[in-house]
Amino acid sequence: NAGVMQNPRHLVRRRGQEARLRCSPMKGHSHVYWYRQLPEEGLKFMVYLQKENIIDESGMPKERFSAEFPKEGPSILRIQQVVRGDSAAYFCASSPPIALDNEQFFGPGTRLTVL
Amino acid sequence: AQSVTQLDSHVSVSEGTPVLLRCNYSSSYSPSLFWYVQHPNKGLQLLLKYTSAATLVKGINGFEAEFKKSETSFHLTKPSAHMSDAAEYFCVVSEASGGYQKVTFGIGTKLQVIP
Repeated sequence: NAGVMQNPRHLVRRRGQEARLRCSPMKGHSHVYWYRQLPEEGLKFMVYLQKENIIDESGMPKERFSAEFPKEGPSILRIQQVVRGDSAAYFCASSPPIALDNEQFFGPGTRLTVL
Repeated sequence: AQSVTQLDSHVSVSEGTPVLLRCNYSSSYSPSLFWYVQHPNKGLQLLLKYTSAATLVKGINGFEAEFKKSETSFHLTKPSAHMSDAAEYFCVVSEASGGYQKVTFGIGTKLQVIP
């Protein structure tokens, strides 16, 4: 059973471009969570999605950021018109519909660098 | 509301000496608690988890943690540090909230191991 997969692992964008980060949850997992880790900080919750639904986006910046988890395919975190402050590691986690032990399983992360 | 406090942002130990990384939490309900390790530019690896079973939890690489409800603590220990233990460690609390798992990360403790 493959773990949570994220791609790309590293992404470089210039200011004003768009960044698309992908997350494929573990097989059988229908819940996806996105976190951001700024340099020298811990992980901060951004958004929680189930298939085709955003459940909690309380951690998402109000502008330029959006997330989706379509019926088919990976979850996408999209950042429009990136700025240098968006440079961070973005982690995705997944969990099954009924999560034993409340555990989330983390992907390897995507490191976004904005030039 | 839940929160996690990692009491030390940096810990430095000599190789072969004990490791103690401190974590205190607050939670409205019975939480699950986790310790993750992150090596530089790598993803998160689960070290161990507490899920209301045994209060002394053994994890990978010789680490263990004890859940102390009266002290609201979940400190991570290892009897003898190894050079490969140098990394950043995150204490995490998770509890069911609004029908899903709410996860909160501590800010992290960087462990330095001196030869």
